[in-house]
Amino acid sequence: DTAVSQTPKYLVTQMGNDKSIKCEQNLGHDTMYWYKQDSKKFLKIMFSYNNKELIINETVPNRFSPKSPDKAHLNLHINSLELGDSAVYFCASSQGHPGGGGSYEQYFGPGTRLTVT
Amino acid sequence: DAKTTQPNSMESNEEEPVHLPCNHSTISGTDYIHWYRQLPSQGPEYVIHGLTSNVNNRMASLAIAEDRKSSTLILHRATLRDAAVYYCILINAGGTSYGKLTFGQGTILTVHP
Repeated sequence: DTAVSQTPKYLVTQMGNDKSIKCEQNLGHDTMYWYKQDSKKFLKIMFSYNNKELIINETVPNRFSPKSPDKAHLNLHINSLELGDSAVYFCASSQGHPGGGGSYEQYFGPGTRLTVT
Repeated sequence: DAKTTQPNSMESNEEEPVHLPCNHSTISGTDYIHWYRQLPSQGPEYVIHGLTSNVNNRMASLAIAEDRKSSTLILHRATLRDAAVYYCILINAGGTSYGKLTFGQGTILTVHP
């Protein structure tokens, strides 16, 4: 069983469209994250949710809206897609709580390659 | 967040040990040192972490300098499957980091057969 799964794996769409990427983890973790990896391969955190509550929002445009229906899922909805949104998006999860420990490890999904044309 | 500095790239031969260095001169007392790696076309993968003492696990060893201003990830016998980008990341145990991983450019490790 895949620990952290994302769908779809590839997403090609046109500018101006709205799209969603889904993420599910079966590890029983309470914290989930979205990261973006651009064409220069830099990985940057976008959002983090702990027990369905938003705890990190890294100055991401409000066209990006994460939604966590339960602890095992964190979906990413993107409105009015732009060329600059083309990237690989990674979902991750960990068993950790806000401000705690710093010793927990994050498990990443396989990524979703988004191409905006 | 405290910054880390790593060499852009390193090379190794298969079956030989690899020592990947990381400098973190501004590390604070509550910063944990984490290492992740990213294999081609995959998501990052946790490797190891430590605070003050050296650490070993099935994947690697982590040697932490006494003043904690640097650390070294040690792969005891490199294999072709270890070819990846290795990231050294500091995570603050307190404050409001909430487990945020701040990735730098990492070290590209090439393993030659």
